[in-house]
Amino acid sequence: GAVVSQHPSRVICKSGTSVKIECRSLDFQATTMFWYRQFPKQSLMLMATSNEGSKATYEQGVEKDKFLINHASLTLSTLTVTSAHPEDSSFYICSARGTSRSNEQFFGPGTRLTVL
Amino acid sequence: DAKTTQPNSMESNEEEPVHLPCNHSTISGTDYIHWYRQLPSQGPEYVIHGLTSNVNNRMASLAIAEDRKSSTLILHRATLRDAAVYYCILRDIDTGRRALTFGSGTRLQVQP
Repeated sequence: GAVVSQHPSRVICKSGTSVKIECRSLDFQATTMFWYRQFPKQSLMLMATSNEGSKATYEQGVEKDKFLINHASLTLSTLTVTSAHPEDSSFYICSARGTSRSNEQFFGPGTRLTVL
Repeated sequence: DAKTTQPNSMESNEEEPVHLPCNHSTISGTDYIHWYRQLPSQGPEYVIHGLTSNVNNRMASLAIAEDRKSSTLILHRATLRDAAVYYCILRDIDTGRRALTFGSGTRLQVQP
């Protein structure tokens, strides 16, 4: 099956620093990638949709200047949390949709971000 | 996407069958019924999906009511590794390119 990886799997940073999370589709080309955020005991909330080579589309209430998304290739999307604060601590999950597998979404294993 | 309703939590004993219900009374004729599950500290994974007929795969079975207003995910023999949050999601065939929308799901606990 299709595999999506995320790096790092967990990161701890100081308040005010920026953190970059990578999402890669390992065995297929992903024209679209989605970024979700999940707080403890809550469900996944869609943050943004990114299409290769174009600007990401952010969901209402998600600050595009704080959560920078780059989808520069068909196998890589990155999410940068800029000037992170403790309230940004969460589980960030990406998913990818390929061109050859109709509309099925494949999910990465997630990245646990802790901001001190 | 149409709304689904699931119980918040369920318990099962190991090696016994588990029936996870989902109500979707406002389902449209072009909505597919998808099930995903999320193991602790992991991303969601696909379980099964169907439109009208019951479906079986190596992970589970999906039983769909005749009026399609409800469905049941069946795990034939629960294992400790099946402890997860199970999400029932409807996806319209025409809007299937959009991101999956997750509800609160059912948290399944499996007792040894």
